[in-house]
Amino acid sequence: ETGVTQSPTHLIKTRGQQVTLRCSSQSGHNTVSWYQQALGQGPQFIFQYYREEENGRGNFPPRFSGLQFPNYSSELNVNALELDDSALYLCASSLERQGNEQFFGPGTRLTVL
Amino acid sequence: KNEVEQSPQNLTAQEGEFITINCSYSVGISALHWLQQHPGGGIVSLFMLSSGKKKHGRLIATINIQEKHSSLHITASHPRDSAVYICAVRSTTSGTYKYIFGTGTRLKVLA
Repeated sequence: ETGVTQSPTHLIKTRGQQVTLRCSSQSGHNTVSWYQQALGQGPQFIFQYYREEENGRGNFPPRFSGLQFPNYSSELNVNALELDDSALYLCASSLERQGNEQFFGPGTRLTVL
Repeated sequence: KNEVEQSPQNLTAQEGEFITINCSYSVGISALHWLQQHPGGGIVSLFMLSSGKKKHGRLIATINIQEKHSSLHITASHPRDSAVYICAVRSTTSGTYKYIFGTGTRLKVLA
């Protein structure tokens, strides 16, 4: 059974740029959730995708968008990067929209200069 | 006020000590997770519980739904237990199974 993987592990961008982060869900899981974790804080819910559709969204602006593909892998896109977007981005996969236990990936650390 | 509060924020213990980390929440939930995060970021799920008590090795997690409170206990603590422990609740707000996280408890166990 393959666990949740994320790419890249680290990324450095400058303000105004766009970034795409990727997540491969655990085998058999159809739900992916994305979280932003600023330094010293707990993760904050960005959005969740279930069977290729957005299933809920946290308090993040529209420049945070996502996709889920037929194989249930997912992308997080952030446009017009701001300094405050610097954080660890975590994805977690689970089975079913109801959110059975989530399994987390290792995260992508994004630095915006 | 955060919807999920943890205490203490930081904890230093000597090897072998019994450790308790507390989590209180103010929203309706369907489940509560205890997570462990090591330096570098990776998160491991320790427990998911919706009632009662669960035990895994030296770790014990309890939840009191009426009091909206959960505790994570570590018996015979060891330096390898040093990590950030995060409480996360699965909220049932608006029909979306949204997770709300505490800010974490940073545990350091000294040899």
